Amino acid sequence: NAGVTQTPKFQVLKTGQSMTLQCAQDMNHNSMYWYRQDPGMGLRLIYYSASEGTTDKGEVPNGYNVSRLNKREFSLRLESAAPSQTSVYFCASRKPTGVAIGETQYFGPGTRLLVL
Amino acid sequence: LAKTTQPISMDSYEGQEVNITCSHNNIATNDYITWYQQFPSQGPRFIIQGYKTKVTNEVASLFIPADRKSSTLSLPRVSLSDTAVYYCLVKGGSYIPTFGRGTSLIVHP
Repeated sequence: NAGVTQTPKFQVLKTGQSMTLQCAQDMNHNSMYWYRQDPGMGLRLIYYSASEGTTDKGEVPNGYNVSRLNKREFSLRLESAAPSQTSVYFCASRKPTGVAIGETQYFGPGTRLLVL
Repeated sequence: LAKTTQPISMDSYEGQEVNITCSHNNIATNDYITWYQQFPSQGPRFIIQGYKTKVTNEVASLFIPADRKSSTLSLPRVSLSDTAVYYCLVKGGSYIPTFGRGTSLIVHP
């Protein structure tokens, strides 16, 4: 049981290049999330997927697109990278809860992205 | 979005008890309060979750007053390895989880 895995671990891009960050979970969770974390800041939600086949914008979606390929995989794409997208990107999945809106997320190790 | 307020930073010494308080005035009736811990260069890790009164696990205790507008994470007898950023999370009825800046705890020898 690997939990949440992310690839790549590190990436350097030039402005205008595109790339896809991959995320996979093996815990059979329905919900998955993409966050970015800038130095000294908390996590900001980019996109989330409540279930397979659905995606929704979070707090900072501009410049990103996502694909929920299947229940296990949720990818984040930067179509034209900008220096402002230099950040650490975390993927997470959420353990299902009952009636109450609990919140137990499991995070991947992160992808460190530098855009020059 | 539910807004939470925590101290930006705290300092402590090994062996002391540390209490970190989070305020969440607009918590929704059905919301739980969840705390996460994040070490440098790692993703956040779930610590504890509660709805009301007190919850305790092997890592921490969580105290929630009757009005649920705040909560306090208590770490007993901290060690150097407890140096981390601690986040309080409340979803506030929205589906979008909101992490604030968290509280940076530094434990000194």
